[in-house]
This record gives sequence, C-alpha cells and structure tokens, in this order.
Amino acid sequence: QKEVEQDPGPLSVPEGAIVSLNCTYSNSAFQYFMWYRQYSRKGPELLMYTYSSGNKEDGRFTAQVDKSSKYISLFIRDSQPSDSATYLCAGGATNKLIFGTGTLLAVQP
Amino acid sequence: DVKVTQSSRYLVKRTGEKVFLECVQDMDHENMFWYRQDPGLGLRLIYFSYDVKMKEKGDIPEGYSVSREKKERFSLILESASTNQTSMYLCASSLTTYQPQHFGDGTRLSIL
Repeated sequence: QKEVEQDPGPLSVPEGAIVSLNCTYSNSAFQYFMWYRQYSRKGPELLMYTYSSGNKEDGRFTAQVDKSSKYISLFIRDSQPSDSATYLCAGGATNKLIFGTGTLLAVQP
Repeated sequence: DVKVTQSSRYLVKRTGEKVFLECVQDMDHENMFWYRQDPGLGLRLIYFSYDVKMKEKGDIPEGYSVSREKKERFSLILESASTNQTSMYLCASSLTTYQPQHFGDGTRLSIL
C-alpha cells in the first residue's frame, strides 16, 4: 500500500465548476500536508500548506485535512481553464515529503 | 520569491557516462532535495541535504550520489548512467525542517 493514495484522473469539468481533489494517507506520523500544482513541463508549484486538521482558505482554493480519517482534500471554486494541471498532494514528517501520484485536471471553457 | 534553478532543462547522455545535474537556490535555504518523477510512480526522493557537506539517502539512492560544497548548490551525480535512469529530475529547497519545499522546473534526462 502506498503511503499517499491519489486518484490519477483525468478529471474533466466545465469552467466555473467547483472541483474536489482528494487523497488518503496511511502514515500516522505525518505532521503537515501540502498541495502542489504542476503544469506540463514545469516543476510543482506550492498551492497550500497546513499543519493541522480543519480548513485553510486562500482565494479560490480551500485545503481540508481530517487526521482522524487520514483524508486530505483540495477544493477549487469557480474553476478556470488556467487551473488545468496536475495536482499533487503530499504528507510530511520531519524533512521528508511523501507525494501522491497526482490528479490530472482539465477545465473546459 | 524563492528561485530554484536547474542547470539544464533537457539532457541526453549515453549509457555508462558520468552525469552531473546542478541545482542552485537563492534564498539561503538549509535543506535541499533531489527527486525523480516517473509516470504512475510520482515523485520519489533520491537524496537530501540539511547542511553543507551533509547528506542523507532518500528512498531510491542506488546508482546516485550527491555533493553539497556550498549552501546554495546541490549536485546530483549519476556515477554510471543506465537506461532505467531516464526520467524527470526535480530539485527542491526548504528553509528548515517542516517548511514547504520549493521546486525548480526540472531536468528531463534521457539515457541512450
């Protein structure tokens, strides 16, 4: 079993939709969680970073962590074609980050 | 903004060659990392460094070594390149432990 599981997609939604991206993890030692966005032929770009259970909002993005069920989510409101990318979740303990394999999102104009 | 610069975007080398991948960060970060990214496998940690001349193995260190002589520069070395090392290589840095990692744009390496 992988430490971080993520549905690879692809996920296709119309412009303006609310997008929900999800990951599960198995490592109880994870202390912090991140979401990255990766455009084709580019490196991952940090979107959200959280230590604790609960919600964290930044503009159109909301990250949600439920440590009791080992479940992390990223919600994108009013999705735009420019949001089309691969989204990577990650959990971390000390220096090491463990990544999911990424979900490919396509937002159709 | 943090800038992590990888020396080459694309690189083609031959089997058995010694290959050097270079990474420089400009934000005085303590920690630097090398990952490889493969379809279906995601990002896997090869090596990381938490200080100058200090290094630790990641999950897949076999066939690789690293060098960190200066704080801002972290090099990945493929001692004798093999075709199964064809991949996207990503460098990252973070200020300290528990801080977010910031990535470069990667080097797509092909070993023929």
